[in-house]
Amino acid sequence: DGGITQSPKYLFRKEGQNVTLSCEQNLNHDAMYWYRQDPGQGLRLIYYSQIVNDFQKGDIAEGYSVSREKKESFPLTVTSAQKNPTAFYLCASNDWGDTEAFFGQGTRLTVV
Amino acid sequence: AQTVTQSQPEMSVQEAETVTLSCTYDTSESNYYLFWYKQPPSRQMILVIRQEAYKQQNATENRFSVNFQKAAKSFSLKISDSQLGDTAMYFCAFVDGGATNKLIFGTGTLLAVQP
Repeated sequence: DGGITQSPKYLFRKEGQNVTLSCEQNLNHDAMYWYRQDPGQGLRLIYYSQIVNDFQKGDIAEGYSVSREKKESFPLTVTSAQKNPTAFYLCASNDWGDTEAFFGQGTRLTVV
Repeated sequence: AQTVTQSQPEMSVQEAETVTLSCTYDTSESNYYLFWYKQPPSRQMILVIRQEAYKQQNATENRFSVNFQKAAKSFSLKISDSQLGDTAMYFCAFVDGGATNKLIFGTGTLLAVQP
């Protein structure tokens, strides 16, 4: 079945550590996105990529990094520079413009 | 900059009644697409309905319909015959049809359907 997979579902990080969230899709979509969702808030765009080896900053890119070495993969690294990383992270993918975005089931990151 | 605004953080409706969720957006693009997504307590995002800006006819999907006012940059969602399963967070979203293909969301409206 085609879809988008995020792992892990829950992740705990000690302060000062970098962690990487995985996002894989087998939908052959060109575009992939990372969003952050805080309690009671909307989805804020962290990074997005429209093509392999290219990506753009979203509205809250500071403290995060991404790579897009393969079309199906778009991992997100939360670095120690991110001051408040505890949040729910959603990955999505779509084709250009007119198609719906497909979402992973999210990763809940908690700093301990 | 492109923005999406949802001015109703929370709403409540009785089962079987009708409710309308508001959304406005700002863009200088002429070609774009608008969406409503639903996020139930499971947090899985589900597409409810979508609208192409070049189409004047409002989109409809069963009990869900939109009122798309392009000149006013307004895109409201109407839910008819509300059901308990409609309880969720609803997000309005926008993507331009040009080079950036950037998908952006509003802050959401939490809808509670009361029995």
